[in-house]
Amino acid sequence: QSALTQPASVSGSPGQSITISCTGTSSDIGAYNYVSWYQQHPGRAPKLMIYDVSNRPSGVSNRFSGSKSGNTASLTISGLQAEDEADYYCSSPSSSSTRVFGGGTKLTVL
Amino acid sequence: EVQLLESGGGLVQPGGSLRLSCVASGFTFSGSAMGWVRQAPGKGLEWVSTFGSGGDTYYADSVKGRFTVSRDNSKNTLYLQMSSLRAEDTAVYYCAKYYIRHFDSWGQGTLVTVSS
Repeated sequence: QSALTQPASVSGSPGQSITISCTGTSSDIGAYNYVSWYQQHPGRAPKLMIYDVSNRPSGVSNRFSGSKSGNTASLTISGLQAEDEADYYCSSPSSSSTRVFGGGTKLTVL
Repeated sequence: EVQLLESGGGLVQPGGSLRLSCVASGFTFSGSAMGWVRQAPGKGLEWVSTFGSGGDTYYADSVKGRFTVSRDNSKNTLYLQMSSLRAEDTAVYYCAKYYIRHFDSWGQGTLVTVSS
């Protein structure tokens, strides 16, 4: 159950777009179309932002989008806003009905 | 509105035991899969356990044999019994509703500190 690989940090200016990558293996991301992404502000609980690779829950801004190619998933945030500054985590099912998270990416809005 | 309220965290000595509870409301608890995810201080999220709506249970290798997840559908409550606790189990433990293949609702978490 090795963690998925995410960049430690990304940054962007308001209005710009950023992409956070999440790399796994053929046993997790590559095997399932069930990648999910979570946003976590300091001291707060995580919040679901994307599920099943590219679907947004009700209430999540359409500025958030997800995709997947092979063993790598990506989260793109367009039209960056100050409120988007947070930690982001990807997750995927893995073999034997377990789950794995990425190490997290800190997004800084400059 | 889905609400998940964890309790039971606290300070425990290495080798000790603790039981966490998560009271759920706002959805049909008995028909829902549930899970536990933890976060060590300053670290990322780590999946701990999942309890399926059909009674199947799954654990991370790091807690297998030491932690046991259970539920009481009559009380809308999920439990995590933790034993043989280690310093590396120190974390905020989140209860979360597991829908198909993702965690769609999360509690606010309860802090477990393992220290002498």
